[in-house]
Amino acid sequence: DTAVSQTPKYLVTQMGNDKSIKCEQNLGHDTMYWYKQDSKKFLKIMFSYNNKELIINETVPNRFSPKSPDKAHLNLHINSLELGDSAVYFCASKGNRNGYTFGSGTRLTVV
Amino acid sequence: DQQVKQNSPSLSVQEGRISILNCDYTNSMFDYFLWYKKYPAEGPTFLISISSIKDKNEDGRFTVFLNKSAKHLSLHIVPSQPGDSAVYFCAASEGTGGFKTIFGAGTRLFVKA
Repeated sequence: DTAVSQTPKYLVTQMGNDKSIKCEQNLGHDTMYWYKQDSKKFLKIMFSYNNKELIINETVPNRFSPKSPDKAHLNLHINSLELGDSAVYFCASKGNRNGYTFGSGTRLTVV
Repeated sequence: DQQVKQNSPSLSVQEGRISILNCDYTNSMFDYFLWYKKYPAEGPTFLISISSIKDKNEDGRFTVFLNKSAKHLSLHIVPSQPGDSAVYFCAASEGTGGFKTIFGAGTRLFVKA
């Protein structure tokens, strides 16, 4: 039973398109995140929501908009996709105890 | 500005021997450190953590050492097994409740049978 699930696993799309990545966690955690793993393999935080409230918003283009309909879901919508957006995007959740639980990642390829 | 650095992109170790993965950090406000393990096509999974009030934490074959004065931590795996072959990420945050965890670039460990 997957704790943090994100869909789709792979996404290939053309420049200029708008796409969404969905994330759901069944752990009852209050905090969810989006991380981007770039070509240099760094995991960089993008956004964090705590109980549906945005608490971290790093320097991310405003083409990226997170949406949290409830504390179990944090979706990522990307407008006007660019080549540089190609990366692996990881959703994660965090409870009161240590450590994140990550999803398996979404590999986004913009062509 | 890389606040968490893993300077070795890869490490190769013989099965049964010790694997030592290193990590350095620059932000003196970090007081909670974690290691994650990642297999291909999967998300990172939490492995072990250490608070700055300790200098060592052990969990089975995995031990994390923290040297606060040097701003350095290391993960020891003894004995190394082929199934340990993965990418290991070091991460740091301000407090266990800190919302923002900073990750290193990862070290790919190869354990040869």
